[in-house]
Amino acid sequence: DAGVTQSPTHLIKTRGQHVTLRCSPISGHKSVSWYQQVLGQGPQFIFQYYEKEERGRGNFPDRFSARQFPNYSSELNVNALLLGDSALYLCASRRLFSGNEQFFGPGTRLTVL
Amino acid sequence: EDQVTQSPEALRLQEGESSSLNCSYTVSGLRGLFWYRQDPGKGPEFLFTLYSAGEEKEKERLKATLTKKESFLHITAPKPEDSATYLCALTPSQGGSEKLVFGKGTKLTVNP
Repeated sequence: DAGVTQSPTHLIKTRGQHVTLRCSPISGHKSVSWYQQVLGQGPQFIFQYYEKEERGRGNFPDRFSARQFPNYSSELNVNALLLGDSALYLCASRRLFSGNEQFFGPGTRLTVL
Repeated sequence: EDQVTQSPEALRLQEGESSSLNCSYTVSGLRGLFWYRQDPGKGPEFLFTLYSAGEEKEKERLKATLTKKESFLHITAPKPEDSATYLCALTPSQGGSEKLVFGKGTKLTVNP
């Protein structure tokens, strides 16, 4: 089975711009979560979606939003980008009723100039 | 507040020199504790899930153990290809989400 896929792999934006990151979960996985990882730190939870509904939200400002589509893919949107939003954005998926482990994609490297 | 602390921050080993990485945690209730391996610029790769104190999981040169306050990742006779950052994470049982709370990781370097 193909793993979690994310696009784009790299992205460069300027302050104030908007960005959309995309994620396709492993086939059969209905839960998708988003994480932000800044250099030298562990990933930090942003959102979890299951069956198109938000099931959890981390301590991030309202500039961050997400949604999940009927095919279980997901988008993360960030408005009014700040320099501090530069990070690796990770998507993870999980198959429910089969262990609690989440499987991560390769990430999108966002650089804000 | 749910918290995960990993030590040491960095560890250098010679090939074949066994050692252990520590993950201490505070959480009101534990749904699961996870170990991941992360290579530079890549997403974390799942290694183990532990659910209750006394549980052990093993895979090749790695063994993970769990107590009520800590987890250890034991590396036996490591090879250079084991060089990576090892992340510990937990999911609290409280709250409706499946969020993972991560530590900062231990960067392991194995020299040939």
